Amino acid sequence: GENVEQHPSTLSVQEGDSAVIKCTYSDSASNYFPWYKQELGKGPQLIIDIRSNVGEKKDQRIAVTLNKTAKHFSLHITETQPEDSAVYFCAASKEAGTALIFGKGTTLSVSS
Amino acid sequence: DVKVTQSSRYLVKRTGEKVFLECVQDMDHENMFWYRQDPGLGLRLIYFSYDVKMKEKGDIPEGYSVSREKKERFSLILESASTNQTSMYLCASSLTSGANVLTFGAGSRLTVL
Repeated sequence: GENVEQHPSTLSVQEGDSAVIKCTYSDSASNYFPWYKQELGKGPQLIIDIRSNVGEKKDQRIAVTLNKTAKHFSLHITETQPEDSAVYFCAASKEAGTALIFGKGTTLSVSS
Repeated sequence: DVKVTQSSRYLVKRTGEKVFLECVQDMDHENMFWYRQDPGLGLRLIYFSYDVKMKEKGDIPEGYSVSREKKERFSLILESASTNQTSMYLCASSLTSGANVLTFGAGSRLTVL
């Protein structure tokens, strides 16, 4: 089955710096790659996603890139703010409606 | 807004007890999922369901069962709770059509003594 590896497990940055989280996946049939953010005491929430027919997608300060050949995708957060501090999860799945397989998560701390 | 409600935020049970974790969603989603979250292990899929009375095993189904008698409700059952089932349990739902976007509940933190 699918296996998703996520790095780093923890990341500390200064406010205003950029943060990058990387994931690799094992199943070449996977074609949907979302990123979820989990704040303390809450369930994860989708922040951005990308499909295999697209190489990059941006939404304000966050962007995701996908390299299907290498089977890896990354989350980029620019101009980080303290409210970006949370646990971030990457995930992969083969098609809409199928179960997502998640990475182990990255705890991002942004200090002011 | 889609809402996924997990009835219990915190539960404390004893070893051997039967435990029910309830999850209800209010937006007519076909798919429902139970994940377990542990520090350093991320989110691991226990069971999922694509339709009423239908269930599929995820990556870690041992020690768990599920029930989906109605479209909006998906229950996770621990037949005989053990201490290694102490964890945060997250329920999620999604539509079959379109994007595979999961909406999560706030979680149920279970402690088994």
